[in-house]
Amino acid sequence: DAKTTQPNSMESNEEEPVHLPCNHSTISGTDYIHWYRQLPSQGPEYVIHGLTSNVNNRMASLAIAEDRKSSTLILHRATLRDAAVYYCILRDLLWAGTYKYIFGTGTRLKVLA
Amino acid sequence: NAGVTQTPKFQVLKTGQSMTLQCAQDMNHEYMSWYRQDPGMGLRLIHYSVGAGITDQGEVPNGYNVSRSTTEDFPLRLLSAAPSQTSVYFCASSYSTGGSEQYFGPGTRLTVT
Repeated sequence: DAKTTQPNSMESNEEEPVHLPCNHSTISGTDYIHWYRQLPSQGPEYVIHGLTSNVNNRMASLAIAEDRKSSTLILHRATLRDAAVYYCILRDLLWAGTYKYIFGTGTRLKVLA
Repeated sequence: NAGVTQTPKFQVLKTGQSMTLQCAQDMNHEYMSWYRQDPGMGLRLIHYSVGAGITDQGEVPNGYNVSRSTTEDFPLRLLSAAPSQTSVYFCASSYSTGGSEQYFGPGTRLTVT
């Protein structure tokens, strides 16, 4: 199974940018990198995903290293509502065109007022 | 759209009892999956389905059965509940298993005594 490694926890001050790192040294050429977050007592919610190029959406940016062995989720201005566990996920190929997603333990982000 | 719905929200079972956790989605998604989340842990894949009539095992399938008779519904059956199955269960769906977003339900908190 493709694996990801993330720090257990990080802290950020409110209104400052946050860079959440993820290592995925065993990534294969066709693996998308997905990020989800889980707010307290809720199900995970999608944040962003990408393959090779950096990606932006209304929630965050995803910076992918040139060798694709690592990526960074960037929250441009952290708010108290961004306090959550952030999961970096690769998908595993089951058979042609079909994948499963393996979650790790994620990074718990604490935002300080 | 209601998205992904799960019932019940909470359940307490005695050891040896059986029950079915319900999951439904109204987005015409082909891919559905069940995860469990134990305290302080990430999500672990129990079973998944890539379409009606097609299911397969994930990382931790023992003690659980699934079926997928329609695109909309993907129930999870506990055959003989054990205290080790105390957990929060999440159902998820996505349009495909490729680079698409997964939508998660709100979860079912199950306690087995």
